[in-house]
Amino acid sequence: QKEVEQNSGPLSVPEGAIASLNCTYSDRGSQSFFWYRQYSGKSPELIMFIYSNGDKEDGRFTAQLNKASQYVSLLIRDSQPSDSATYLCAVPRAGEKLTFGTGTRLTIIP
Amino acid sequence: GAGVSQTPSNKVTEKGKYVELRCDPISGHTALYWYRQSLGQGPEFLIYFQGTGAADDSGLPNDRFFAVRPEGSVSTLKIQRTERGDSAVYLCASSSDRGKPQHFGDGTRLSIL
Repeated sequence: QKEVEQNSGPLSVPEGAIASLNCTYSDRGSQSFFWYRQYSGKSPELIMFIYSNGDKEDGRFTAQLNKASQYVSLLIRDSQPSDSATYLCAVPRAGEKLTFGTGTRLTIIP
Repeated sequence: GAGVSQTPSNKVTEKGKYVELRCDPISGHTALYWYRQSLGQGPEFLIYFQGTGAADDSGLPNDRFFAVRPEGSVSTLKIQRTERGDSAVYLCASSSDRGKPQHFGDGTRLSIL
């Protein structure tokens, strides 16, 4: 089992709808979780992070943690074409080094 | 302030050559990380510095790879006797302290011919 797994997609969502991205992790002791957005040919950009103590909302983005099932979700409300990108989930391993999933490619259809 | 700066943005060289990749972290960030990203994959950890010392170099693939951060700010990733399999985007990230969110630079796209 990979340490961090994501469905590679592509995931197509109509403009204005909710995009839901999921990530499963193998280390039950993980305490923090990061979501990065990566446009084609660009570097990862941090858009959201949560700790094991609860969910978090920031504008159109919500990150949710399900510790029992060991997955984290990123919800994007009112999806815009500019949200089209690859979304990377990352979990720290041994405290510092991030382990990334392969990313989910999201396409928002106008 | 300015974000993480990486130079060069692109580097093309021949197999067997030596390359140096530079990273200038966000001012005041004590933690610095190097990752490598291949097409269609997420970044893979290479090495982590806290201050001047390499706190974790477990991700370096072999002894051809080496990194330094002599004054606790700028870091250089050095690759000797490059191989075609070293071709990738090399990403640098920094954070204000250990455990804090990491912010990435634009990367260096390395191509070994």
